Amino acid sequence: QVQLQESGPGLVKPSETLSLTCAVSGYSISSGYYWGWIRQPPGKGLEWIGSIYHSGSTYYNPSLKSRVTISVDTSKNQFSLKLSSVTAADTAVYYCARQRSYYDWFDPWGQGTLVTVSS
Amino acid sequence: DIQMTQSPSSVSASVGDRVTITCQASQGISSWLAWYQQKPGKAPKLLIYAASSLQSGVPSRFSGSGSGTDFTLTISSLQPEDFATYYCQQANSFPITFGQGTRLEIK
Repeated sequence: QVQLQESGPGLVKPSETLSLTCAVSGYSISSGYYWGWIRQPPGKGLEWIGSIYHSGSTYYNPSLKSRVTISVDTSKNQFSLKLSSVTAADTAVYYCARQRSYYDWFDPWGQGTLVTVSS
Repeated sequence: DIQMTQSPSSVSASVGDRVTITCQASQGISSWLAWYQQKPGKAPKLLIYAASSLQSGVPSRFSGSGSGTDFTLTISSLQPEDFATYYCQQANSFPITFGQGTRLEIK
């Protein structure tokens, strides 16, 4: 059974870089699939951030592309998100999830981690 | 970007009721649509993919239909555990986009 678990700082200062990691268990990332990040501001809807293939090919939402970097570490079976120059608008629960393709549905999802941007 | 519009934004219903939620895409997406259920403090859970395919383990009271621009999620007989927020998501065009959500509340 595939499981995903997000980790990272829960508080980030404005203008700094948000960094999160998604550890995957029960499946080897190097075997395939795409791996994505989605976020949800408190009380609001879902926004796709971007996705990565096990080979390292990346696909980003154009609305965030200038600030986003997603990378994969197959040796640790995890992938990571970096979002630079954060503001309060980036405060959200960040989820990682698996996809068959970079434009596909997400299943399964990690439990999510709340990141607050505040000084 | 393709805009996904759900209606209603919220609905009140009773256990045993039949409920339908709609999702409209701003342009045709064939059958590239998924439905998710999200409970408070939890991650979304995939219910339906490819507009009408039931994800493994999801009760058969959930069903999806539609193609092109208009889609529906139907819960045939509401159970207490079904009260949650539901989201649609299009997977036809880059970037992926979600509907704004429909909150299903107990009447």
